[in-house]
Amino acid sequence: SQQGEEDPQALSIQEGENATMNCSYKTSINNLQWYRQNSGRGLVHLILIRSNEREKHSGRLRVTLDTSKKSSSLLITASRAADTASYFCATDANTGGFKTIFGAGTRLFVKA
Amino acid sequence: GAGVSQSPRYKVAKRGQDVALRCDPISGHVSLFWYQQALGQGPEFLTYFQNEAQLDKSGLPSDRFFAERPEGSVSTLKIQRTQQEDSAVYLCASSRIWDRGSYEQYFGPGTRLTVT
Repeated sequence: SQQGEEDPQALSIQEGENATMNCSYKTSINNLQWYRQNSGRGLVHLILIRSNEREKHSGRLRVTLDTSKKSSSLLITASRAADTASYFCATDANTGGFKTIFGAGTRLFVKA
Repeated sequence: GAGVSQSPRYKVAKRGQDVALRCDPISGHVSLFWYQQALGQGPEFLTYFQNEAQLDKSGLPSDRFFAERPEGSVSTLKIQRTQQEDSAVYLCASSRIWDRGSYEQYFGPGTRLTVT
């Protein structure tokens, strides 16, 4: 019943390469967030983009949002082995409730 | 200054037993969320508290699931008569306030529940 869908489901790249993950959602949103989850640090917030923003940067992260297509992308530049993790997008349902909806995630493996 | 803590970290229950999972949010955080995460999936929303008020319980899968936050701080998720399908990691998250999802959530390490 999750509304977010990430693709690809899994991604394997060499250290130093860029990684791009995509997220699609179904209903209108106020905000979209990206989280990272690995066994060492649990689920950690990376970046938030509001519905009236189109692009946002944070360090090696670049997020874009296209509300007309109901999609977002997360780009990690110059990847490192430490970036190996699962990445999830999360949206508020914008239905007046308080639910945060996560996608199924993209599993990124960065080879040293 | 500590983060969100959860206990126990691991719980094994026999089918039919009741379990109680505890969450200590970051001090001063108004909002508290519970999620259920199955293996290989993203977290699924269970319920939301603003201080002691449970404002959204639309994600609770059945009436066997019950959550409380009586003093607006520590929260407990209780599962009665556990079933095998309840096996999952239960995550707790807190944030400063809810404003249409505009504040990041800080997650605890989770409780891994295994029902045998």
